[in-house]
Amino acid sequence: DQQVKQNSPSLSVQEGRISILNCDYTNSMFDYFLWYKKYPAEGPTFLISISSIKDKNEDGRFTVFLNKSAKHLSLHIVPSQPGDSAVYFCAARASGGSNYKLTFGKGTLLTVNP
Amino acid sequence: GAVVSQHPSWVICKSGTSVKIECRSLDFQATTMFWYRQFPKQSLMLMATSNEGSKATYEQGVEKDKFLINHASLTLSTLTVTSAHPEDSSFYICSGSGGRRDTQYFGPGTRLTVL
Repeated sequence: DQQVKQNSPSLSVQEGRISILNCDYTNSMFDYFLWYKKYPAEGPTFLISISSIKDKNEDGRFTVFLNKSAKHLSLHIVPSQPGDSAVYFCAARASGGSNYKLTFGKGTLLTVNP
Repeated sequence: GAVVSQHPSWVICKSGTSVKIECRSLDFQATTMFWYRQFPKQSLMLMATSNEGSKATYEQGVEKDKFLINHASLTLSTLTVTSAHPEDSSFYICSGSGGRRDTQYFGPGTRLTVL
C-alpha cells in the first residue's frame, strides 16, 4: 500500500517556464511534508518543506502548496532552469511514534530543456 | 544545510564477504540516523532507524542479522552487510536528523555490487 504517490514518473518543461510536480498521500496522520531533489548516484538534497498547519511555503524559485482536504501537495519551480533537471521525491512524516521516519513517493524525473 | 558523508562511495565484493558502510554527520549531531536502499528507478526504501546508543529499529522484511547497524556516537552510524549476496547489490543511503522534528539530511550514498 503506497501511502505517498507521485503519479507522474516524468515531466518535461521548457527553460523559463513553470514546473509543477504533484504528490498525493493517503495517511491522514502525515503532518509534515518535504521535497527532495536527487541526481543519479547521489543522495537526495533537501529542497523545501511544509507543515500541515500551512497551505503554502515559498523559498526563492520553489513554492510548495498543500491542500489537506484533498491530501495533495505540489512543488512549483519558477522559472525552471536546466540545472533543475533531476528526480524529485515527495516525502511525508507523521508526528506520532518515537521516530520521525519519512515515507517517500517513487519520484518524478524533471527534464528542463534549454 | 547540514552535511552527511558516507564511506565508501562504492564497493565491489565477492559473495559471502561482509561489507561495512560508514555514515557521518559532519557539522551537526545526528540523534537519529536512518538507512535506506534504492533499487534502479524505485523509491527510497527505509531499512532501519537508529538512535544513538540504542538498538536499531528495523522495517518489516529487513533481516536484522544480515544488516547490522551500529550508532555508537552522535556523528557516526555504520551498516554492515554480512555474508553479502548478489541480491544485496543496491544503492545504500543514510540520513541524519538532529531532532524529532528536524529535517533529514542525506549522505551521498554507497553503491554496493556483490559478484
